[in-house]
Amino acid sequence: QKEVEQNSGPLSVPEGAIASLNCTYSDRGSQSFFWYRQYSGKSPELIMFIYSNGDKEDGRFTAQLNKASQYVSLLIRDSQPSDSATYLCAVTRRYGNKLVFGAGTILRVKS
Amino acid sequence: DGGITQSPKYLFRKEGQNVTLSCEQNLNHDAMYWYRQDPGQGLRLIYYSQIVNDFQKGDIAEGYSVSREKKESFPLTVTSAQKNPTAFYLCASSIGWTGDSNQPQHFGDGTRLSIL
Repeated sequence: QKEVEQNSGPLSVPEGAIASLNCTYSDRGSQSFFWYRQYSGKSPELIMFIYSNGDKEDGRFTAQLNKASQYVSLLIRDSQPSDSATYLCAVTRRYGNKLVFGAGTILRVKS
Repeated sequence: DGGITQSPKYLFRKEGQNVTLSCEQNLNHDAMYWYRQDPGQGLRLIYYSQIVNDFQKGDIAEGYSVSREKKESFPLTVTSAQKNPTAFYLCASSIGWTGDSNQPQHFGDGTRLSIL
């Protein structure tokens, strides 16, 4: 079992729709959760981070964390073609206190 | 402008050669990291440094070496012992060590390394 799992996609949504990206993790002791966006050929860019159960909103982005079920999700409202990218989920690993990345989900927003 | 600068953008390595990738940050961050990304895969941690003059092996340190003599600099050497070096190398930094402080990591633009 991978430490951080994401559906590789591609996830295709029409422009203006809500895109929902999911991530599950295996370490129950994980404390911090991060979402990065990576355009093709570029480096990852931090979008959001969340530490507590529940929702955290920032503009069109909402991160949702459920520690009991060990999943974290990212919702993108009013999706735009410029949101088309790979979204990486990263989770701190309790043992060794390192950040572990999922392989990412490719999102395609069609205009 | 504050940020993380990686150089060169592209690098080619000959068989048996060591190459060094540069990473400089002017964010006054204590912690710095090196990751490797292969196509379709997540980032894997090579080495990290929580503070100047200290560094630790990550998950895939074999064939790599680092130094942290200055707070702003964390160069990575890919040695000839690394048999499959072709990848996208990413340097990151954070205010404090992510594992302890929950501080997010920010990335440089990366270096693409290929074998000639």
